[in-house]
Amino acid sequence: DAGVIQSPRHEVTEMGQEVTLRCKPISGHNSLFWYRQTMMRGLELLIYFNNNVPIDDSGMPEDRFSAKMPNASFSTLKIQPSEPRDSAVYFCASSPTGGWGQPQHFGDGTRLSIL
Amino acid sequence: AQKVTQAQTEISVVEKEDVTLDCVYETRDTTYYLFWYKQPPSGELVFLIRRNSFDEQNEISGRYSWNFQKSTSSFNFTITASQVVDSAVYFCALISGKGNTDKLIFGTGTRLQVFP
Repeated sequence: DAGVIQSPRHEVTEMGQEVTLRCKPISGHNSLFWYRQTMMRGLELLIYFNNNVPIDDSGMPEDRFSAKMPNASFSTLKIQPSEPRDSAVYFCASSPTGGWGQPQHFGDGTRLSIL
Repeated sequence: AQKVTQAQTEISVVEKEDVTLDCVYETRDTTYYLFWYKQPPSGELVFLIRRNSFDEQNEISGRYSWNFQKSTSSFNFTITASQVVDSAVYFCALISGKGNTDKLIFGTGTRLQVFP
């Protein structure tokens, strides 16, 4: 079975540009999570969705970040305008139905570099 | 407040040694789950195990074993006869507050280096 699919795998862009990261969760999973990983701050949860509805976006750093989940098989994380401090690895994860506390399964991540 | 502490930042061992990675958690909830994830040098995060707060049985999977002790709020991970392929960063994580959140709280990770 296909795992969580993220694109692109790597993104290098200049400061001020818009960046869009994409995620396709595992089919049948109803929760989707966006994380950011940096050396300084470790793994941080940015936002998560249940059944396509944003539940907790308290980890989104600022208004430059936005996330959408238009349907059960697709989500985007957008940064506009991007800044060098946004450079990090961004992970998407999904978890299945079947009760609270299901394990989250992660994509391979997008390594983002803002110059 | 919920918290996960992995006090060991980095551990180095020689192949075939046994190694234990420590994880201490904090939560006031009685219902919670604990997890271990592996992040190899290639960067992906791989789910290893989930344990719920009502199940204190230790678990063994091949060379991996987990020791869950509520009395000390610990969920330690032991690799027996370590191999070079075990080299990775290992994260312990906690989810608690059933019905209130699906937020996973990660520790800062332990980098394990296994030398041949």
